[in-house]
Parts: sequence; structure tokens; C-alpha cells
Amino acid sequence: IVMTQSPLSLPVTPGEPASISCRSSQSLLKSDGYNYLDWYIQKPGQSPQLLIFLGSNRASGVPDRFSVSGSGTDFTLKISRVEAEDVGVYYCMHALQDPRTFGQGTKVEIK
Amino acid sequence: QVQLQESGPGLVKPSETLSLTCTVSGGSISGYYWSWIRQPPGKGLEWIGYVHFSGSTKYHPSLEGRVTISAHMSTNQFSLKLSSVTAADTAVYYCTRHYNWGTYPLDSWGQGALVTVSS
Repeated sequence: IVMTQSPLSLPVTPGEPASISCRSSQSLLKSDGYNYLDWYIQKPGQSPQLLIFLGSNRASGVPDRFSVSGSGTDFTLKISRVEAEDVGVYYCMHALQDPRTFGQGTKVEIK
Repeated sequence: QVQLQESGPGLVKPSETLSLTCTVSGGSISGYYWSWIRQPPGKGLEWIGYVHFSGSTKYHPSLEGRVTISAHMSTNQFSLKLSSVTAADTAVYYCTRHYNWGTYPLDSWGQGALVTVSS
């Protein structure tokens, strides 16, 4: 399964919204009604960390300004109001089957 | 809170075997799946494979035949061996834990270990 993210670079203004697109080469929607898609953020100089799993479930401690919309093959990660701590590279990763594959990553930086 | 720490040689010669160990603290490897992920310098993330605490494994097809991931209950560790390495295997290697629900996402990551393949 090929995961394609866009844009690859996203300059953002603090307080403004931001969106990242993730598309998969096949549907990630299973018969249980869930989309088997996770999102990770790799902040500068750090290991990646889980952001959202099973389509739209925020990981522990993730603020509610992060949300995901979409289903099947097209998804959008939305940040309602960007904060300085949100800078980093965002990756989507499918969990539909093995091998799991990641998108190329979207680098979010402050303008 | 579980913590993961990679350890092993930072420099490996071409054609030799890369060996890394992940030590798990603050929790047991029992009951979970554990994966290795790698990130070539300046590039994205690649899933290498996973091991279940019971010993079952699954590997990325592109690495099948060269990779072995093992779980070591007695020491609360799991390990990665990658044979016949080339410069293309130079990367930061992360050990990770799968959360036990839903998509089994990677909810805990080690700090990463840079392994350089060079003579």
C-alpha cells in the first residue's frame, strides 16, 4: 500500500488552521467501520510520537485542536489553531496489513 | 510509563551483520508486539518488522531473508539482526511498542540508534 502525503512542506502562522492530506492506494476502511490509519509527529531532534490512531482517536495527551477527517483512501489531518509546539514532520501510516507503510512526511514550520 | 532504549554498535562494515538490542523498562515485554523502525538520514520512516512476546514474527518483504527479530523474556529485551548490510542500511533505528488495541499503533519509541555502514 502506497501512502502519499501533501504538501511535503507547510509554512504556518501561529493561531491559524493547517491541513495535511494523506492518500492511500487502497481503502483503509475495514468491515468493522474503522479506518486503519495512524498519524505520528516527529518534533525536531526527537523520536516520532503517536498522534492519532484508528482513524480519528487522539493518543493520550494530544490536544483536541488535532482532528482527522475522511475515510477510505483520502484523509486530512487538521490543526484548528497552530501553536509553536506543533512544528515537526507529520507522517501518516496505514495499519491495514503488513507491511505497514508511511507517507513521505509533511514538514510543518512556522512562517 | 514504559521506556525503550536501543543499544549496539554504531558502525558496521559492509557485508557484516548489524545487531541492536532494545531494553524495555517500566513494563514487561509480555503481552505486546514490538517493532523496529528505521529512518535513513534526512529521509522518512520504514517499518522493518515485529516480534510478539510469544516469539512470532513478521518482516518487511524487502528485508525478508536478511532480518531476524527476537524477543528475550528473561531479560525484558528484544533484538534486531540484519545481515549482509550495505550503505543503504545506514539509518537511525528505533525500537517501538505496539499499543494493544485498534490499529495496534506504535505508542512508545526509543530515542533511536544511528548505525552507519562503512568500511
